[in-house]
Amino acid sequence: QSVLTQPPSASGTPGQRVTISCSGSGSNIGSNTVNWYKQLPGTAPKFLIFNNHLRPSGVPDRFSGSKSGTSASLAINGLQSEDEAEYYCATWDDSLNSVVFGGGTKLAVL
Amino acid sequence: QVQLQESGPGLAKASETLSLTCAVSGYSISSDFYWGWIRQPPGKGLEWIGGVYHSGNTYYNPSLKSRVAISLDTSKNKFSLMLTSVTAADTAVYYCVRQDLPAAILDHWGRGTLVTVSS
Repeated sequence: QSVLTQPPSASGTPGQRVTISCSGSGSNIGSNTVNWYKQLPGTAPKFLIFNNHLRPSGVPDRFSGSKSGTSASLAINGLQSEDEAEYYCATWDDSLNSVVFGGGTKLAVL
Repeated sequence: QVQLQESGPGLAKASETLSLTCAVSGYSISSDFYWGWIRQPPGKGLEWIGGVYHSGNTYYNPSLKSRVAISLDTSKNKFSLMLTSVTAADTAVYYCVRQDLPAAILDHWGRGTLVTVSS
């Protein structure tokens, strides 16, 4: 049971916009910034979004993040086949004094 | 660029201690950042294990805290994980990571190494 809640799956067709939600509480998302990671099958996760909405160098601007209250979202515009992956949100939890993850969302590009 | 590479036995016996090492290149672990571990059981999500700073400050997952220790060897630019009293539930791919804590920014990852706990 993950501290942060994500939908287990999402899907879209090429060119579409897809959003993935991440829900938490006041001790985690409500108090701290949210980061997103992308994991292709059989590979290590990759750093995708930090501080709610910032993109590391090399991440396409098709990817964007937002946060409101105790929830955060990842949006992918102009969906491409290489976006098919598992996506995880993560933040710090002040009560646990620990990094916490969402359970992951498997994105299918149909 | 910063690179991390895990090494260690791929098999551990139940009730014994799991030990892994992460070699870092392209950055000195005594400069900045927390250095630590994430694990992923087969077919499941990510679980944060913990991180340590060169000053000695540490953060550990409270669910693992009684069994885990992460240490730095700054002379070799490596760091290590020890997890005691392992069970089948500790079977996972273990990733070493560079971390900005408590911001939960995990910006560089190793490729991961599978550790299977057998009875």
